[in-house]
Amino acid sequence: QVTLKESGPALVEPTQTLTLTCTFSGFSLNTNGMRVSWIRQPPGKALEWLARIDWDDEKLYSTSLKTRLTISKDTSKNQVVLTMTNMDPVDTATYYCARARSEKMLNYYYYYIDVWGKGTMVTVSS
Amino acid sequence: DIVMTQSPDSLAVSLGERVTINCKSSQSILSSSTNKNSLGWYQQKPGQPPKLLIYWASTRESGVPDRFSGSGSGTDFTLTISSLQAEDVAVYYCQQYYSTFWTFGQGTKVEIK
Repeated sequence: QVTLKESGPALVEPTQTLTLTCTFSGFSLNTNGMRVSWIRQPPGKALEWLARIDWDDEKLYSTSLKTRLTISKDTSKNQVVLTMTNMDPVDTATYYCARARSEKMLNYYYYYIDVWGKGTMVTVSS
Repeated sequence: DIVMTQSPDSLAVSLGERVTINCKSSQSILSSSTNKNSLGWYQQKPGQPPKLLIYWASTRESGVPDRFSGSGSGTDFTLTISSLQAEDVAVYYCQQYYSTFWTFGQGTKVEIK
């Protein structure tokens, strides 16, 4: 059974750096074709994809946030860490990590999200 | 980035009635090499994370009731609930994974009339 759990501070002050940890089980990021993504959702609003990291350590960031985001993995701990610098009240949201499973076609991996963590609410306020 | 636009933003339907949600992408998300549309549908109930219902535009995820179906190709897609049940009250999102940068629709809220 695949599970993911996000952890991190519930409250962050403006300009601070947010560090979130995703601890997962039921799969390994050492396995070919695995990916973990971070997605956020401001209260009452839509989902926004932030970043992803693949089994081969390839990383990608949202164009609008790439200067503020860093994603990394610790495969020995089954964890993925996301840091976001210079936090602002508009960054107040529920932050989700999610596993993307893949299908290999024509020697290329195609990924889509299949399992989400429960999310962690982060409020940015002084 | 590919923009995903859903319609309507919300709808209220009687129990047992059909629900249709539309999703339009700003460019085609049909792969010429695989002939697959890189589109997923997710259901999000209040206070819960999204749940995968449909992938590749029309493939139902394991365990998802068969009253949920997806259709469409290219830029226009539809999620249909054939007979609305009380437990289907939720916000539904489409998402494209064609582009390297994934994007979601704004969501469609489904309520009981």
